[in-house]
Amino acid sequence: LAKTTQPISMDSYEGQEVNITCSHNNIATNDYITWYQQFPSQGPRFIIQGYKTKVTNEVASLFIPADRKSSTLSLPRVSLSDTAVYYCLVPGGSYIPTFGRGTSLIVHP
Amino acid sequence: DAGVTQSPTHLIKTRGQQVTLRCSPKSGHDTVSWYQQALGQGPQFIFQYYEEEERQRGNFPDRFSGHQFPNYSSELNVNALLLGDSALYLCASRPTPPPNTGELFFGEGSRLTVL
Repeated sequence: LAKTTQPISMDSYEGQEVNITCSHNNIATNDYITWYQQFPSQGPRFIIQGYKTKVTNEVASLFIPADRKSSTLSLPRVSLSDTAVYYCLVPGGSYIPTFGRGTSLIVHP
Repeated sequence: DAGVTQSPTHLIKTRGQQVTLRCSPKSGHDTVSWYQQALGQGPQFIFQYYEEEERQRGNFPDRFSGHQFPNYSSELNVNALLLGDSALYLCASRPTPPPNTGELFFGEGSRLTVL
């Protein structure tokens, strides 16, 4: 299983851009990198997924360097409702998405 | 289109009892996984079902068992409940491969409290 490392917590303010970086040194060749968002007492929700370079959707952007050993989730202009836990997942060839402890993001007014 | 639905949403059991949790996957999805999430932790993989068989299993004892039905719905059974089994149990579904894309659709979970 691929091990991922993320900061345990981050703080931001409304309107700022937030970047959360995840390290995944033993990512497998065929692995995609997936990010999820989870609010308290709810199931995780898919945010974005990528394989290399940059992916953007209506919610976030995902930046993946050429060596793919890390990835950065970018949330533009966060609001209070973006306060949640964010997980970076890499299957590591096991076909089973494995969650770490995630990054707890708190957005302040 | 209904997403992943789980029942019950909350339940309370006592030590030693047995519990069954149910999950209906998102329409068009045939693979179902179960996760256990303790307070303050990330979801931990229990097992995954495809074509009515357990295909992958995480590091959980045999007290945790499951089943998948022909309509792709699934059950999670936990026997001889322990206090440490108190958690949010999440069901996730996805269509069959490519597996390495990892996109899962989660239900809202079943909150189990063991007293």
